[in-house]
Amino acid sequence: GAGVSQSPSNKVTEKGKDVELRCDPISGHTALYWYRQSLGQGLEFLIYFQGNSAPDKSGLPSDRFSAERTGGSVSTLTIQRTQQEDSAVYLCASSTRSGGLTYEQYFGPGTRLTVT
Amino acid sequence: GNSVTQMEGPVTLSEEAFLTINCTYTATGYPSLFWYVQYPGEGLQLLLKATKADDKGSNKGFEATYRKETTSFHLEKGSVQVSDSAVYFCALIGSRGGSEKLVFGKGMKLTVNP
Repeated sequence: GAGVSQSPSNKVTEKGKDVELRCDPISGHTALYWYRQSLGQGLEFLIYFQGNSAPDKSGLPSDRFSAERTGGSVSTLTIQRTQQEDSAVYLCASSTRSGGLTYEQYFGPGTRLTVT
Repeated sequence: GNSVTQMEGPVTLSEEAFLTINCTYTATGYPSLFWYVQYPGEGLQLLLKATKADDKGSNKGFEATYRKETTSFHLEKGSVQVSDSAVYFCALIGSRGGSEKLVFGKGMKLTVNP
């Protein structure tokens, strides 16, 4: 079946512009995660959605970052007033959660964001 | 907070060489431990996992044993192939319930030469 998809695959933007990154999780997966992969910081957690519960936003680096998940499926990560330090690969992952068990997180190919 | 420390490399080996990538962790409670792999041009994939002490995860000839006494989860393979060239990440999930977010090590790039 289809895996996690992300769009765009690459995004180049000017400093100060807003960007939106999209994630389509695997159908039926109730949990959705955003991570960021950068040379300086490695792989770091940004935000987590699970069903109708309040999202865990503890990893968002500043209030310029926000995310939403509409209808329990597609998610959009928005970065406002982008800065050069926002340049990174943004990864989305989804998993199924049931009975308190830990299931594999399946990752998308990522969106490479370059802020010039 | 929870953290993972792993060998960062890069490491270059010859085909059929023995591979060990060290990984140690700091976590409260009883974390689940993972190795993820990122092949060139591809996304992150789960390689293996272990969810409790003394569990051994294995896949594609790779193995790692969850050692609570040494807080370690070292990755080993007895004979690497060129196709194993990739970046390897050790990771943990700190506790069940909640967000179950992955905490990653910095990754180690492995190149295997024929």
